[in-house]
Amino acid sequence: AQKITQTQPGMFVQEKEAVTLDCTYDTSDPSYGLFWYKQPSSGEMIFLIYQGSYDQQNATEGRYSLNFQKARKSANLVISASQLGDSAMYFCAMRDTFSGGSNYKLTFGKGTLLTVNP
Amino acid sequence: GAGVSQTPSNKVTEKGKYVELRCDPISGHTALYWYRQSLGQGPEFLIYFQGTGAADDSGLPNDRFFAVRPEGSVSTLKIQRTERGDSAVYLCASSLRPGSGRAASYNEQFFGPGTRLTVL
Repeated sequence: AQKITQTQPGMFVQEKEAVTLDCTYDTSDPSYGLFWYKQPSSGEMIFLIYQGSYDQQNATEGRYSLNFQKARKSANLVISASQLGDSAMYFCAMRDTFSGGSNYKLTFGKGTLLTVNP
Repeated sequence: GAGVSQTPSNKVTEKGKYVELRCDPISGHTALYWYRQSLGQGPEFLIYFQGTGAADDSGLPNDRFFAVRPEGSVSTLKIQRTERGDSAVYLCASSLRPGSGRAASYNEQFFGPGTRLTVL
């Protein structure tokens, strides 16, 4: 079974600085996808970034980048130039296998609450 | 275009009552998912539909929970004999297809705003 671990219940960062949110995962499947979602206080889950297990390069989307270290089974999210609007819960999630079977449901971590200070 | 919508946004009910939660996915999305998010936790998978059929209902906690998607679009999550432990936010998500391929656009699940269920 897959497992996602987010060890930081809360993180603080100063506006305009960078912050790294940690995520480690456990799976026996060689093919999987890793996701980060943002959940503001309004409750909606907002997709941020995706990394496939076979992708050679780390994923980037604007101010978001994913530090993917496959051997360590970690997929940390880096947010550069933090903004006040980045304050939210951040969830790391995984989906295993592209070849069939359970290749759809996401397994989520417990999340990290990020607070950006002015 | 319109995103995933869920109604009601809030539902308060009494223990033992029956409730229905509705999800309207993005038009053209064949895959639909229900998740439950308890306070302080990440979402947990409940059930997945591909078209009209439930392809995987392994996350439903017990037989009081049931979901349908009769025409392959709108889905209803039904909870019988509600218990206080059922209180949570119920999230619905949809995607173009279940997840084959590596392109992010095929893998991304779009979430609705959720229904907050409170069982008194």
